[in-house]
Amino acid sequence: EAGVTQSPTHLIKTRGQQATLRCSPISGHTSVYWYQQALGLGLQFLLWYDEGEERNRGNFPPRFSGRQFPNYSSELNVNALELEDSALYLCASSLGFQVLGYTFGSGTRLTVV
Amino acid sequence: AQSVTQLDSQVPVFEEAPVELRCNYSSSVSVYLFWYVQYPNQGLQLLLKYLSGSTLVKGINGFEAEFNKSQTSFHLRKPSVHISDTAEYFCAVSAVGRTNFGNEKLTFGTGTRLTIIP
Repeated sequence: EAGVTQSPTHLIKTRGQQATLRCSPISGHTSVYWYQQALGLGLQFLLWYDEGEERNRGNFPPRFSGRQFPNYSSELNVNALELEDSALYLCASSLGFQVLGYTFGSGTRLTVV
Repeated sequence: AQSVTQLDSQVPVFEEAPVELRCNYSSSVSVYLFWYVQYPNQGLQLLLKYLSGSTLVKGINGFEAEFNKSQTSFHLRKPSVHISDTAEYFCAVSAVGRTNFGNEKLTFGTGTRLTIIP
């Protein structure tokens, strides 16, 4: 069974540009979660998608957005990139709404220069 | 809302010695508790979880954790560590039940970096 896959592995962008990160959940998982892991800040909850809808978002500005497609894959968009957006972005998936342990992908390392 | 505190940001331990990584949580409702491990340049892997029942939970790679409701703790232990255990360890909590959307997310601690000394 394939795990959670994220692409690209690394992404380098210039301040002010837009970044698009992608995530494919485990087959059968309908919920996708996005977390930001910035240096020294631990994992911060970004967004949760379930059955194609945004169910919850963390304390991040609106320039962080995303969507979930009919095949349950997901996309995270970060507009007007700032230097402090540099971080590892982790995607996780789970079966339905009840969190009984996420399965994480390996992440996308976003560097803003 | 829930919160997690991992008091030790770094823990150095000699190889084959025992280790305990501390985790305390805060919540006004019942919780599920998790420990994840992150090896360098990788995502997070689930080590073990407490959902209900026995308060002593065994996980992968010889790790175990004990849920203590009165002390709101969920400390992770291993009787004998190996070089391969060098990683960052995260404790996480989520609320039990679907009281409203928002309980489904995991709240993580800031992590403990475990360094094994040969």
